Amino acid sequence: SQQGEEDPQALSIQEGENATMNCSYKTSINNLQWYRQNSGRGLVHLILIRSNEREKHSGRLRVTLDTSKKSSSLLITASRAADTASYFCATVGSGNTGKLIFGQGTTLQVKP
Amino acid sequence: DGGITQSPKYLFRKEGQNVTLSCEQNLNHDAMYWYRQDPGQGLRLIYYSQIVNDFQKGDIAEGYSVSREKKESFPLTVTSAQKNPTAFYLCASSIVGHNEQFFGPGTRLTVL
Repeated sequence: SQQGEEDPQALSIQEGENATMNCSYKTSINNLQWYRQNSGRGLVHLILIRSNEREKHSGRLRVTLDTSKKSSSLLITASRAADTASYFCATVGSGNTGKLIFGQGTTLQVKP
Repeated sequence: DGGITQSPKYLFRKEGQNVTLSCEQNLNHDAMYWYRQDPGQGLRLIYYSQIVNDFQKGDIAEGYSVSREKKESFPLTVTSAQKNPTAFYLCASSIVGHNEQFFGPGTRLTVL
């Protein structure tokens, strides 16, 4: 079963603009992760935010987590054409299974 | 190079045939996972293993089988019982207790 939903499903912006993607989930979590997938390729881990954190930065990425609203957002600042990809949030529930539950993803197109 | 590999990249299967997808990692990870991805969708967990000679069903295990005879290897067999096997299959690995997963490049399976 998929944990949550991502919004928007598709996003098209110009190079240099910021891109914001949102993820909602349903159950309590230990942490939330964001992954990137280039077309036809495997996923690459971008950033992990723990349930006791509210905001985290990594380079041009900024992730926020609101556990009261069961939602997270990924902001990519000063986007580049190379950022064109699909972005997925994934949650880890309680226990130690390591199982990730993925959202359906946001497809980002950055136009040069 | 350390990493996770999948083979073949493309696989074609006739109806009624079993096929086996290979996944190998040299990251010394104990945990390995198989996911299925359908077009425009997120990933769904098929099987996972946290230790050699042990594995658990994920959310969509019907029609699939796995083995974990070696730490480095986690092959997935798509059996004839899987009615709609055409999809993109992704293998991943992680350190048990660490939630970041490392993904292989994927195998695209098409049923003719």
